[in-house]
Amino acid sequence: GAVVSQHPSRVICKSGTSVKIECRSLDFQATTMFWYRQFPKQSLMLMATSNEGSKATYEQGVEKDKFLINHASLTLSTLTVTSAHPEDSSFYICSASDAGQETQYFGPGTRLLVL
Amino acid sequence: GNSVTQMEGPVTLSEEAFLTINCTYTATGYPSLFWYVQYPGEGLQLLLKATKADDKGSNKGFEATYRKETTSFHLEKGSVQVSDSAVYFCALRKTGANNLFFGTGTRLTVIP
Repeated sequence: GAVVSQHPSRVICKSGTSVKIECRSLDFQATTMFWYRQFPKQSLMLMATSNEGSKATYEQGVEKDKFLINHASLTLSTLTVTSAHPEDSSFYICSASDAGQETQYFGPGTRLLVL
Repeated sequence: GNSVTQMEGPVTLSEEAFLTINCTYTATGYPSLFWYVQYPGEGLQLLLKATKADDKGSNKGFEATYRKETTSFHLEKGSVQVSDSAVYFCALRKTGANNLFFGTGTRLTVIP
């Protein structure tokens, strides 16, 4: 099946710094990418949906100035957590779908810890 | 609104035991229903899906039937293996939408 990678898999940063997470589709063109966040013992919550070459659509309650999403190519989307704070510590997961959008292929996730 | 409630884990079973992981949903209209599996260190993978009432999704010995009358999509397997140890997520997608609503996940551990 299709493969989606994320980098880094784990990151620890100081409060106030910015962190960039990459999501790549390795063997298909991802017209749409999704970013999710999962807190311990909670569901994956959709943060935003991005289509290649256009601005991301954010879910209600997600600050677009804090979580910057760029989907500049059909194989790469990035999520930048700006001025991270301890409450941003979470597990961030991306997924990608092709033009048919029938199936989402998920990355392995990135664990962010903000000290 | 849309939501998915699934059985809290963790679940520990002996090899060859019968597995049921309950999942119920709340949604308007006629959503599609999914089970995803996440093996250690890997991304979520689609395990099976059903797109309309009474459909049965099946894969790798797992089955789930879309029951509209009980708004359920319970996952079952007759005989689990150690290799089935993973976290299982139930999810729904509204018709015409492309985002998924997930349950909290159920961790299954199968012991030899």
